[in-house]
Order: sequence, then structure tokens, then C-alpha cells
Amino acid sequence: QKEVEQNSGPLSVPEGAIASLNCTYSDRGSQSFFWYRQYSGKSPELIMFIYSNGDKEDGRFTAQLNKASQYVSLLIRDSQPSDSATYLCAVNPSNYGGSQGNLIFGKGTKLSVKP
Amino acid sequence: DAGVIQSPRHEVTEMGQEVTLRCKPISGHNSLFWYRQTMMRGLELLIYFNNNVPIDDSGMPEDRFSAKMPNASFSTLKIQPSEPRDSAVYFCASSYRDGTEAFFGQGTRLTVV
Repeated sequence: QKEVEQNSGPLSVPEGAIASLNCTYSDRGSQSFFWYRQYSGKSPELIMFIYSNGDKEDGRFTAQLNKASQYVSLLIRDSQPSDSATYLCAVNPSNYGGSQGNLIFGKGTKLSVKP
Repeated sequence: DAGVIQSPRHEVTEMGQEVTLRCKPISGHNSLFWYRQTMMRGLELLIYFNNNVPIDDSGMPEDRFSAKMPNASFSTLKIQPSEPRDSAVYFCASSYRDGTEAFFGQGTRLTVV
């Protein structure tokens, strides 16, 4: 069973702080990794994707990938109350050396940014 | 583009009734996914299509669930007969090609009473 694990939280940080969200995955052959944000009652929306080991930055967001440790994280700098949401980690699992077309999602980490 | 369009947004039905959920993917996307989201189980993949062909339906709970994609711009998910445990938010998503980011519709909140 290919799995994606996240701490459910809630993770509470003060406004202006760095929020760190973590995710581990079981399928060592996975190639593509995604972070989605989901506000309560809304649909998931893509924040970032990362394919290579290391860091990828986009504005206040940084995704970090370590394939050897099967670990992907999302850092949110200068957190704002509007960042309060559930963050979903998603992984494109492998299939006999290639990739499957679907995404497997973790259950998400609920982030609360306090003013 | 208007994004992935789902209908209806909300559906309340009685146990035993047939329910049909509809989805229009983003034009040009060749992969379509049906997910179900509940508090307990999170987002679960039910089935996905590539170029209108079902590729993996291992997530479909049981024979009561069926999905079709008759053409590149339309898909349906049918539950017959519906049961209270089917109550959830059902999302349709599409992606440009296998393994790339998926874009979600607004979801259908299904309540079976």
C-alpha cells in the first residue's frame, strides 16, 4: 500500500513566523511531489510542485525534497492569517519504473496563523 | 478557461436512490480523476481516466459505484443504490498529462439520508 503521511496538526504559529509542514511517503520510486492548500469548504488548490532533490522557492513558499529520506516539506515564511488552511501533500506514485498517472494525498495538516 | 466544472454542487438524496455526479474537465487535459473526501479518510482516489479510458478503478468502493467518460469533455460518477455511508464531498480533477499537477473542481457535497 503506497502511503503519504502528514501530521494532522493543528499547527499554530504567530503571524510573521515561519510555518514548517512535513510529509513522508512510502513509495521510494515516486518522482513528483505536490503541495495543495485547502480552505474550509473549498477545493484543493495547487501551491507548488517539486521533482528534484533540494529546495524550490516561490515567493513566501519553499518546498524541500529529500528522496533518500522519502521526505518532502513546505516552508511558509512571514505567515499571514490568510494562510490558515489545511495543507495537503500529494505524491505521484511509481509503476514498474515509470510513473502512475494519479496522485496519492496525505490527510493534510491544519495550519492556524494567529494575528 | 473556466476550470473543472462539477454539478450539482450539493445533492441530498434518500438511501436507495440513484445519484449521478457530473464533471467537465479543463479543455486539453487528458487525465481525469474522481476523488472522495471525508474527515476520516481524507482524499481517496476512486478512479482515473487517461484519454477517456479508465486506467485504475481499484479505489471504487464496490459495484454500486460506476464511472464513465464518453468523451474528452464529460465524465459521470454514478452511485446506485446510494447508502448513508456514501455521504462525502466528491471532487473531480483533471491534469494535462499523467503525473502532472491536478486541478480540482469545486466538488459535490453528497448527503444520503
